[in-house]
Amino acid sequence: GQNIDQPTEMTATEGAIVQINCTYQTSGFNGLFWYQQHAGEAPTFLSYNVLDGLEEKGRFSSFLSRSKGYSYLLLKELQMKDSASYLCAVLDSNYQLIWGAGTKLIIKP
Amino acid sequence: DVKVTQSSRYLVKRTGEKVFLECVQDMDHENMFWYRQDPGLGLRLIYFSYDVKMKEKGDIPEGYSVSREKKERFSLILESASTNQTSMYLCASSFSGDNSPLHFGNGTRLTVT
Repeated sequence: GQNIDQPTEMTATEGAIVQINCTYQTSGFNGLFWYQQHAGEAPTFLSYNVLDGLEEKGRFSSFLSRSKGYSYLLLKELQMKDSASYLCAVLDSNYQLIWGAGTKLIIKP
Repeated sequence: DVKVTQSSRYLVKRTGEKVFLECVQDMDHENMFWYRQDPGLGLRLIYFSYDVKMKEKGDIPEGYSVSREKKERFSLILESASTNQTSMYLCASSFSGDNSPLHFGNGTRLTVT
């Protein structure tokens, strides 16, 4: 079967750095997405990785290792507004998106 | 900015009722999707469409149908609502192209009593 694993919940302090991991086992791989979803709102696109390595976008970076079936989202200089759920999704060999259950990130002052 | 609009934010329906959830996007996207989101589970795909009048079953199509008569509009229909269809329903759209990100609506929280 196909599986995406993410921690259910994480807590971090304002101003700190947090890394949210995502491991996947899918039938094929055609890219990995990260989305942010604030409570009661729509998910919004953060990043897309298809090649190994780190992609940086301001305070957010996303890393991919295809050989390890692993990705992480790195959030720096955390702000209270970063409190949200972070969803990892993989495009499988049929170009269908497989979604993780999401990681709820709680930021404390 | 892409806008995906879902007609209702909250809906309460009775078991057995026919329910229509409407979704409209304003960016001329080819692809449209209906997902449901439940606590502790990843987004689950109900139906999707790559073109007008075209529809494909997703992972959990049972108890649902869809309609896409116009490019910008994608409707989800619950023929006879049941309590296990109580959920958050999210509509999304994207350009064709495998790595095009999805743009989501704000969701409809449906409660079936």
